[in-house]
Amino acid sequence: TQLLEQSPQFLSIQEGENLTVYCNSSSVFSSLQWYRQEPGEGPVLLVTVVTGGEVKKLKRLTFQFGDARKDSSLHITAAQPGDTGLYLCAGEVSNAGKSTFGDGTTLTVKP
Amino acid sequence: DAGITQSPRYKITETGRQVTLMCHQTWSHSYMFWYRQDLGHGLRLIYYSAAADITDKGEVPDGYVVSRSKTENFPLTLESATRSQTSVYFCASSERGPVHTGELFFGEGSRLTVL
Repeated sequence: TQLLEQSPQFLSIQEGENLTVYCNSSSVFSSLQWYRQEPGEGPVLLVTVVTGGEVKKLKRLTFQFGDARKDSSLHITAAQPGDTGLYLCAGEVSNAGKSTFGDGTTLTVKP
Repeated sequence: DAGITQSPRYKITETGRQVTLMCHQTWSHSYMFWYRQDLGHGLRLIYYSAAADITDKGEVPDGYVVSRSKTENFPLTLESATRSQTSVYFCASSERGPVHTGELFFGEGSRLTVL
């Protein structure tokens, strides 16, 4: 059973379009992180959210943590080819010291 | 250079052979992790360690062995490699505490092929 469900699995859009990626679970997380991974490299942290209802912005990226701390979304405004990559959400339950990852969303932004 | 390094980056081996993947970090992070990444499965936790001499199983520990005699090193051993262990393996480290977010710092990965 997958603890974290990410959707969509694949997304291909044109430069300038907006998109949203979702990360859902039936579990409550003490914290949730979003990572971006490029081919041949390890994931790199984009943001950590810890408070229910929290919204964080990172340039054109907006991250939201659900009020119940069971879900999160990543919204990209005016996507650029440089946004292409694998986006992963990772959640930690009850400060257990370990994170569980979703299966990821592969984003392709065409020029 | 500071960071987390994995070796080898690429390894081809045969079924039944023992393989050890090395991981070294220079930050003195207390936590270290081994994940495997396969198409369609994202990152799955194999083993993790909260400190030297403390290790614990993750989601998919079968067929793997770890040790952590020193804080900076966390080797992963496949005692008798199987084709299903063909994957990309990522080592990561993190720090815990009131001022830490639990961010995982990843190595560049070790691509293992078992023939």
